[in-house]
Amino acid sequence: DQQVKQNSPSLSVQEGRISILNCDYTNSMFDYFLWYKKYPAEGPTFLISISSIKDKNEDGRFTVFLNKSAKHLSLHIVPSQPGDSAVYFCAASVYNQGGKLIFGQGTELSVKP
Amino acid sequence: DAGVIQSPRHEVTEMGQEVTLRCKPISGHDYLFWYRQTMMRGLELLIYFNNNVPIDDSGMPEDRFSAKMPNASFSTLKIQPSEPRDSAVYFCASSPGGQPQHFGDGTRLSIL
Repeated sequence: DQQVKQNSPSLSVQEGRISILNCDYTNSMFDYFLWYKKYPAEGPTFLISISSIKDKNEDGRFTVFLNKSAKHLSLHIVPSQPGDSAVYFCAASVYNQGGKLIFGQGTELSVKP
Repeated sequence: DAGVIQSPRHEVTEMGQEVTLRCKPISGHDYLFWYRQTMMRGLELLIYFNNNVPIDDSGMPEDRFSAKMPNASFSTLKIQPSEPRDSAVYFCASSPGGQPQHFGDGTRLSIL
């Protein structure tokens, strides 16, 4: 039972263009969502988060959108840079379950110069 | 600031041996998490602690796995006896008050 799904294992975009990574979830109790970025041989690094009381959160080139009715979130990176090439994980939690995070399978982003 | 420190970075051992993975969380963080990453199951939570107390160990695969946190600056994950299917990358993470979690660089474990 995969509660958080990232249906695209990989994505390739041109430098300077927009990257859109998608994530779907099934558990309506989730109320906090995060995106992590992972380089090879390193641990995941926190990127950006959003609470279910919002539908958008922005941090520099990164914006996360949340559509609660569709149980869908997306991460937009604009403009994309070659250094953004990494695996991106979305994760979800239920606030009153402490820090427990459920991760998606990840999407490998490749930004080509 | 020092991040989450895991040791060893790589471990290769034979089936049946005891394996001990170590983690030093970020100072001041009151939550500590152990994850396992495999191709088949992705990144899955094994157990987490709050203020050194285990809160949820429902992800621990079986009795061969155990985790301890004797103090705020140290945790171990033990596998005894180890099996080839335990081969994976094991991550430790810590956080102040639950989120966001800060991950170490992992231990790549190979059981032959």
